[in-house]
Amino acid sequence: AQRVTQPEKLLSVFKGAPVELKCNYSYSGSPELFWYVQYSRQRLQLLLRHISRESIKGFTADLNKGETSFHLKKPFAQEEDSAMYYCALATQGGSEKLVFGKGTKLTVNP
Amino acid sequence: KAGVTQTPRYLIKTRGQQVTLSCSPISGHRSVSWYQQTPGQGLQFLFEYFSETQRNKGNFPGRFSGRQFSNSRSEMNVSTLELGDSALYLCASSLVGFANTGELFFGEGSRLTVL
Repeated sequence: AQRVTQPEKLLSVFKGAPVELKCNYSYSGSPELFWYVQYSRQRLQLLLRHISRESIKGFTADLNKGETSFHLKKPFAQEEDSAMYYCALATQGGSEKLVFGKGTKLTVNP
Repeated sequence: KAGVTQTPRYLIKTRGQQVTLSCSPISGHRSVSWYQQTPGQGLQFLFEYFSETQRNKGNFPGRFSGRQFSNSRSEMNVSTLELGDSALYLCASSLVGFANTGELFFGEGSRLTVL
């Protein structure tokens, strides 16, 4: 069964501090992983995807197949990063099904 | 470009009733997915439609059903409502099929309360 675990429901850091949001997955095939974000009063939106190996708004995430993890990192958090972050897993076969973790609420304090 | 539009935004029903929710995808998007969001279970996949065909279905009882029209608009229906069906129902669309870009565009959701 596919499963995504985000162990922290809440995460609070100070502005300028590094931040890491943890994500672990369970899937026997070759996963595609994503981070979605929901800012206050906005829609859920894609932040980044592992296949792109891109940095968005200073965030990066590396897929570690050995540890089945896809942690989201940013070296210097900003107040505008405060949001709900969801890790999501897509399975093979062109399935349009995303399995989401339960999310981590990040608060960046001034 | 208009975003994904869901109607109604809020609704209250009583147990045993049925409800129909509507979703208009972004123009040109042919794939529409539905998710249920609750505080306890988080976001759970309901089903996905592409070109009027259901391509994938989540683990929900048969009371949950959906369809897609030729203009890509989609509806989902929940019959014989139960208290546990109270949730935010999110619709998401993608351009051709998720596998191309991995990006789903979500609507604001329809919040259903079952009394």
